[in-house]
Amino acid sequence: QQQVRQSPQSLTVWEGETAILNCSYEDSTFDYFPWYRLFPGESPALLIAIRPVSNKKEDGRFTIFFNKREKKLSLHITDSQPGDSATYFCAASGQTGFASALTFGSGTKVIVLP
Amino acid sequence: NSKVIQTPRYLVKGQGQKAKMRCIPEKGHPVVFWYQQNKNNEFKFLINFQNQEVLQQIDMTEKRFSAECPSNSPCSLEIQSSEAGDSALYLCASSSFTGASAETLYFGSGTRLTVL
Repeated sequence: QQQVRQSPQSLTVWEGETAILNCSYEDSTFDYFPWYRLFPGESPALLIAIRPVSNKKEDGRFTIFFNKREKKLSLHITDSQPGDSATYFCAASGQTGFASALTFGSGTKVIVLP
Repeated sequence: NSKVIQTPRYLVKGQGQKAKMRCIPEKGHPVVFWYQQNKNNEFKFLINFQNQEVLQQIDMTEKRFSAECPSNSPCSLEIQSSEAGDSALYLCASSSFTGASAETLYFGSGTRLTVL
């Protein structure tokens, strides 16, 4: 049973376009949603994160939109660049105050064509 | 760049053999996580530690794996009797964890285990 689902599995966009990555979750106790980015040959690294007190979090060209009622969130990459080509993982955790494990989705591979 | 160091980078074992991998967390990080990532990119949480104590672990880890994070030594994850299904990338991550909320995980490069 996958508690965090991502779609699409892969996504190709042209340079300058907006890439939209989707994520949904099952567990209503989840209260922390980070996105990790994985470049080939490197380790996953935190890109941006959101908590349900907000429905939007922006960091440069990266924006998370969060819908608590529908248990959905999305990552928008505006003005996509070839250097954004990577696999993006949505993750979730609950139980703040406790070093609980993140539950990861299976990732969206993004290819940005010049 | 992450300063979590995992060794070895690659590990090849026969079925039934022990497989041991190590992780040095980022300095000052008291929390260590182990994840298994399969060929479909799916992450499976295995176990986590805060200082030397186990916080959470899944059933599989409890039965077939041994793991520890001794003070002043690398953390380790060992499969007691490797199975073909254990072939995967094993990722170690560490976190500062202030106790107030979830913290960023810093991942190592992983140990890729192949069980023949």
